[in-house]
Amino acid sequence: GAVVSQHPSWVICKSGTSVKIECRSLDFQATTMFWYRQFPKQSLMLMATSNEGSKATYEQGVEKDKFLINHASLTLSTLTVTSAHPEDSSFYICSFSGGSSVAYEQYFGPGTRLTVT
Amino acid sequence: QKEVEQNSGPLSVPEGAIASLNCTYSDRGSQSFFWYRQYSGKSPELIMFIYSNGDKEDGRFTAQLNKASQYVSLLIRDSQPSDSATYLCAVREGGKLIFGQGTELSVKP
Repeated sequence: GAVVSQHPSWVICKSGTSVKIECRSLDFQATTMFWYRQFPKQSLMLMATSNEGSKATYEQGVEKDKFLINHASLTLSTLTVTSAHPEDSSFYICSFSGGSSVAYEQYFGPGTRLTVT
Repeated sequence: QKEVEQNSGPLSVPEGAIASLNCTYSDRGSQSFFWYRQYSGKSPELIMFIYSNGDKEDGRFTAQLNKASQYVSLLIRDSQPSDSATYLCAVREGGKLIFGQGTELSVKP
């Protein structure tokens, strides 16, 4: 499968600060990337879909001004959590789509665990 | 709201047994189905995908799809303790994947 990296793997920040998470596809040019959030013992919740060179599409209930997504190139997408609060503490995972148009499998990054104190 | 349903478990099986994981989906028009494995604290990894009715085998894993009944299952033969993880079923809807809540599998030595 394709290789996706995320940085940082974990981060602790104080309430009110902003945190940027990078997601890179290492061996694939990704036109579409996805950002998920996962709380403990829960499934993945899609936050937004980002297409290279255009604005991200956010899922219902996700604040676009709080979670800034930039997909500036085919190999890099960033998620910035602005003015983070303790309730934003979660596991953030990026993925990109690949494979055939029928299968359309997604490959996930290793995730970033954010803790807001 | 399109839904993907899984029994959250935990499902406990002895080592060497067959583990059977089930998933149902609400959109009859869905075409592509995926099984992911997620170890605690890690991100999901793709096990296999299926889009045709019937069985698809890959090593110890077999995915089964029945579009008429709107269910997809994953069988794990000769289960090993290392298979203990949460298994996520996902259905493609447009350009997105809709995930079930996952089934926790525990394989006892």
